[in-house]
Amino acid sequence: ILNVEQSPQSLHVQEGDSTNFTCSFPSSNFYALHWYRWETAKSPEALFVMTLNGDEKKKGRISATLNTKEGYSYLYIKGSQPEDSATYLCAFINNAGNMLTFGGGTRLMVKP
Amino acid sequence: EAGVAQSPRYKIIEKRQSVAFWCNPISGHATLYWYQQILGQGPKLLIQFQNNGVVDDSQLPKDRFSAERLKGVDSTLKIQPAKLEDSAVYLCASSLTGKYTGELFFGEGSRLTVL
Repeated sequence: ILNVEQSPQSLHVQEGDSTNFTCSFPSSNFYALHWYRWETAKSPEALFVMTLNGDEKKKGRISATLNTKEGYSYLYIKGSQPEDSATYLCAFINNAGNMLTFGGGTRLMVKP
Repeated sequence: EAGVAQSPRYKIIEKRQSVAFWCNPISGHATLYWYQQILGQGPKLLIQFQNNGVVDDSQLPKDRFSAERLKGVDSTLKIQPAKLEDSAVYLCASSLTGKYTGELFFGEGSRLTVL
């Protein structure tokens, strides 16, 4: 069983603040890393699928970076808005297995 | 494009009762997944189907959980008999292939409370 850690577990920020969270995963045999956003009472929605070391991806105010050699990915939100309030999940798979392992998530609450 | 459909959205049962959840994936998606998400934890894969064959069910408690995808389209997950620790959100997801270089598409989940 692979160990995927996310920090912090929860985060409260004010509207307009920029924030970032971390996903840590085993650095050997990397295959892919996924980021999902899960709003309450909705379905988890994919943000990014990252496969290359040094990859940087962006969607609007949200961006992510990937370091496969040291085993971490950062998710950044610039100028947080109340609608960004959600749980952000990362998930990792190595090339030795066929199971996507999720971290415990970071719950973000943005106060207006 | 219609998303992943799941039902029921909510279910409350007593321990030792049975429950079944249904999932209809996005049309054309060969791979279907059932995840269990317990409060405060990340989703845990229970079973993965490729068309109507099982790819991975190593984390499925087979003494009480069963799942099928008979025609390679929709799927049913059953729990019999339920235990208190089965209280969770059961998420169904689908993907075009099972390669994980593409995203998973999730349904809204079925929230189970076992009393």
